[in-house]
Amino acid sequence: GAVVSQHPSWVICKSGTSVKIECRSLDFQATTMFWYRQFPKQSLMLMATSNEGSKATYEQGVEKDKFLINHASLTLSTLTVTSAHPEDSSFYICSANRQGKNIQYFGAGTRLSVL
Amino acid sequence: AQKITQTQPGMFVQEKEAVTLDCTYDTSDPSYGLFWYKQPSSGEMIFLIYQGSYDQQNATEGRYSLNFQKARKSANLVISASQLGDSAMYFCAMRGMEYGNKLVFGAGTILRVKS
Repeated sequence: GAVVSQHPSWVICKSGTSVKIECRSLDFQATTMFWYRQFPKQSLMLMATSNEGSKATYEQGVEKDKFLINHASLTLSTLTVTSAHPEDSSFYICSANRQGKNIQYFGAGTRLSVL
Repeated sequence: AQKITQTQPGMFVQEKEAVTLDCTYDTSDPSYGLFWYKQPSSGEMIFLIYQGSYDQQNATEGRYSLNFQKARKSANLVISASQLGDSAMYFCAMRGMEYGNKLVFGAGTILRVKS
């Protein structure tokens, strides 16, 4: 069964609004979670590393004020796309490592469409 | 230089036959991990198999096996007895300290299983 839950799976919003995506580790604690973005027919691009209790680490070129990440507990990280625009439409997917394990498990992803 | 290279944009295989998906990688780390993920059209990333750089034997998980050739820096995925449900995008990925211990993905290979 799934070990990482992501919600919502699909969201449509108007341009200028903000959208929050949740990522939960289901039966383990995750001090670190990862957020990726994927364009159609392309590979996953790491956006940021979410660290429990501290600031997220963003990859080069990713606007931290645009993509707000909060990792307030050991099982939950959220990504908020602020003032979304049509160019933010994409597939966003999160992942987490079980502590002490090499495997990185992914959520089911969120398809964001900004009108 | 490309860190992970998947040279096959798309592959076809007849149902019940075996197929090999190619992956080569580039790293100077002595310690690293190699992963294969399956992404069906629904978008979720499904972990298939893991190979550590120090593992002496090739990893196997059911119908999946990883043909690890360290000197050639290749980590090909072999799927035996292909099923229609194997049709998906397949990503090879690597993690090592050289790349900040973050998962780095290849471009992916689309596999289509024919009946």
